[in-house]
Amino acid sequence: NAGVTQTPKFRVLKTGQSMTLLCAQDMNHEYMYWYRQDPGMGLRLIHYSVGEGTTAKGEVPDGYNVSRLKKQNFLLGLESAAPSQTSVYFCASSWGGSSYNEQFFGPGTRLTVL
Amino acid sequence: GQSLEQPSEVTAVEGAIVQINCTYQTSGFYGLSWYQQHDGGAPTFLSYNALDGLEETGRFSSFLSRSDSYGYLLLQELQMKDSASYFCANNTDKLIFGTGTRLQVFP
Repeated sequence: NAGVTQTPKFRVLKTGQSMTLLCAQDMNHEYMYWYRQDPGMGLRLIHYSVGEGTTAKGEVPDGYNVSRLKKQNFLLGLESAAPSQTSVYFCASSWGGSSYNEQFFGPGTRLTVL
Repeated sequence: GQSLEQPSEVTAVEGAIVQINCTYQTSGFYGLSWYQQHDGGAPTFLSYNALDGLEETGRFSSFLSRSDSYGYLLLQELQMKDSASYFCANNTDKLIFGTGTRLQVFP
């Protein structure tokens, strides 16, 4: 039982390049989330999904797109990377939302945009 | 909008008790969660309060007062390994995290 895994762990991009971050969970969770965390800051929600085939915007969705084609996977795309997107990206999953949704986090992807 | 305010940093010595406060302003509130994050690591769940009152889990306890829009995390018998950042989070259909409190435990 691997929990939540993220690929890649580290990446360096040049401004304007694109990339996709992959998140996978093996806990059969319905909800999945993408966060970014900047140095000394809390986590900010980018996008989330409440089930296969669904996506919704979080607090800071601009410049990112997501897809949830399979229940166990949640992809985060950067179409044209900018230095402001340098951050640590965390994926998380949970059974559900509302009254109780303990989130399980992946190890993070450290992205640098030059 | 939603905001959760926490002190930026707290220091304490081993064996002591420390309280980390969280005040929130939210539109829609189901409960308050607490997460721990060590440097370079991922957040991990500590506790959740759906109702007013105290929830105890070992050395950690969490308190919620809905009428005051306030909660706290209480850490007892502090250990060096408790040095980490602690985040409160407002449960709605997603988590909105507070700004975090960095706890440093000294010998």
